[in-house]
Amino acid sequence: NAGVTQTPKFQVLKTGQSMTLQCAQDMNHEYMSWYRQDPGMGLRLIHYSVGAGITDQGEVPNGYNVSRSTTEDFPLRLLSAAPSQTSVYFCASSYSGAGRGAEYEQYFGPGTRLTVT
Amino acid sequence: AQKVTQAQTEISVVEKEDVTLDCVYETRDTTYYLFWYKQPPSGELVFLIRRNSFDEQNEISGRYSWNFQKSTSSFNFTITASQVVDSAVYFCALSEAGYSTLTFGKGTMLLVSP
Repeated sequence: NAGVTQTPKFQVLKTGQSMTLQCAQDMNHEYMSWYRQDPGMGLRLIHYSVGAGITDQGEVPNGYNVSRSTTEDFPLRLLSAAPSQTSVYFCASSYSGAGRGAEYEQYFGPGTRLTVT
Repeated sequence: AQKVTQAQTEISVVEKEDVTLDCVYETRDTTYYLFWYKQPPSGELVFLIRRNSFDEQNEISGRYSWNFQKSTSSFNFTITASQVVDSAVYFCALSEAGYSTLTFGKGTMLLVSP
């Protein structure tokens, strides 16, 4: 199993550009999430999904879109990049078991470091 | 709303010292899960432990131990005989039952010098 994979590892964007951060998992996990990590702020939840076709907003969703058309993939789209979106982005997935959520371990991808100039 | 507080921003110790990282949480749920993750300088997140709210037994894994006290809403992490390889940022996190997502503390950077 490759686990949770994220591409690209690094990206530099200019203000106003759009791009998609890719996240894929091969563990057949129902739950997937996106977090951003900023210095001194810990990790904050952007969007999450409890299954294909179902997504919801987290703590800091503005400026980001997600969709979940398959169980395996959960891309994060930046519509018009801003310097405030400079961050490290982590994707995570977990098994849902009997629907009890975080009873199970969250598997994190290696992260994408994004710089917006 | 749930909240996790890691009051120690940075801790510096000398190798072989014991060190405790504090974590205080807030939640209204009676069923919840607590986690610790390690983030070494390479940047990946490494899962260390998960504890559910009904299990207050302390846990020991090698040089690592965790003390869970519901009475004080704390889930502290102790490294015994610290080593340089323990240098990392450590995050405490919380999730309420039925949710698949985590609320993280801001992290504690641990620097272990030789």
